[in-house]
Amino acid sequence: AQSVSQHNHHVILSEAASLELGCNYSYGGTVNLFWYVQYPGQHLQLLLKYFSGDPLVKGIKGFEAEFIKSKFSFNLRKPSVQWSDTAEYFCAVNKDTDKLIFGTGTRLQVFP
Amino acid sequence: GAGVSQSPRYKVAKRGQDVALRCDPISGHVSLFWYQQALGQGPEFLTYFQNEAQLDKSGLPSDRFFAERPEGSVSTLKIQRTQQEDSAVYLCASRVDGELFFGEGSRLTVL
Repeated sequence: AQSVSQHNHHVILSEAASLELGCNYSYGGTVNLFWYVQYPGQHLQLLLKYFSGDPLVKGIKGFEAEFIKSKFSFNLRKPSVQWSDTAEYFCAVNKDTDKLIFGTGTRLQVFP
Repeated sequence: GAGVSQSPRYKVAKRGQDVALRCDPISGHVSLFWYQQALGQGPEFLTYFQNEAQLDKSGLPSDRFFAERPEGSVSTLKIQRTQQEDSAVYLCASRVDGELFFGEGSRLTVL
């Protein structure tokens, strides 16, 4: 079945550590890719998106993601995390249809 | 308003009751989506409207679930004869330029 996989379910880091969250999808062809973040008690909001062009996408709050077509991956990175990055992160994909398919999410905890 | 507004924020229902969840999208947004998010899971697509037309309802889990958007703005998700497995957060989102803007969700607990 076509799906979006986030293999890291729970990540714990200290402040200033580097972050990489994995996202893989199983759709072939052209896809649109997204990372959403949900801070505690808040609604889902867009971190960054990729539609076409430069496969290295920069988003808000110092996050970036790299689209690697050959690996069907769209991993999220941040060189130095902060306590305020504690949140749940969701990768999402849409292809051909209007609906966005989400991964199961990765819970990030950053300790001071 | 500035964002997507959902009500009620919290709803407790007894098994078998009907519930109605409201979504007020960002003004002017043509596309509106409903998602269901169970505890510890990502959002799961339920249904999609473009204006008042329901273009995709493939994610509705059963015929107890019904959504409408009669005037192309406010939408209501109705769940009839609620079951415990319906307990979840129901998210509404409107879309522009490929980006979904989410509301804070309606948390439904079925006892």
